[in-house]
Amino acid sequence: QVQLQESGPGLVKPSETLSLTCNVSGSSLAGDDYWGWIRQPPGKGLEWIGSIYPTGTTFYNSSLQSRVTMSMDTSKNQFSLRLTSVTARDTAVYYCAKTEPSFTASGVVVSYYFHYWGRGTLVTVSS
Amino acid sequence: QSVLTQPPSASGAPGQRVTISCSGSSSNVGGHAVSWYQQSPGTAPRLLIYNDNQRPSGVPDRFSGSKSGTSASLAISGLQSDDEADYCCATWDVTLNGPVFGGGTKLTVL
Repeated sequence: QVQLQESGPGLVKPSETLSLTCNVSGSSLAGDDYWGWIRQPPGKGLEWIGSIYPTGTTFYNSSLQSRVTMSMDTSKNQFSLRLTSVTARDTAVYYCAKTEPSFTASGVVVSYYFHYWGRGTLVTVSS
Repeated sequence: QSVLTQPPSASGAPGQRVTISCSGSSSNVGGHAVSWYQQSPGTAPRLLIYNDNQRPSGVPDRFSGSKSGTSASLAISGLQSDDEADYCCATWDVTLNGPVFGGGTKLTVL
């Protein structure tokens, strides 16, 4: 069974950088799996932040792209999220997840869903 | 404003069947597989349905998914009190080049 656990500061000051790590067990990040980050502001819906592929290739939500960086450390079996220049609008529960994309032979996405989720971690942006 | 539109609330009595809709467009629901998630208060989302109508191992067959054109639906039969939760749909959007979510539907078991 795949398990994910987010970790990182629960409070970040405005204009600073939010950094979170997702530790994975039950699946190797050195394999062929895909991983992602999703967030949920208090009382609101889910928002995809970005994903990282087995090759280390990343792609991000266009609305956050200028501030987001994701990376992977296969030796520690963990992947990370950095979000710069945070504001109060970045206050949310942040989830990491194992994604299950499927593609056509030409690389077009057919299906994309989030199979396993971490418990989530609340990050509050406040001075 | 979510890309996928869901009713904010739904309700049903124990034992009844309820349906939750998810409306999109040809750039998302109409062209890509839909997934559904259940989220109880204070917990992480749980995958209920993927590829429009497939259930992961461990999800009861009381939960079923369907899709027609640019709309998808989640049906829950034999409602139970612990089905009371938020339900959210998701799919890929080719215009936004990423996965998108519905705003969620809060299900109340009367």
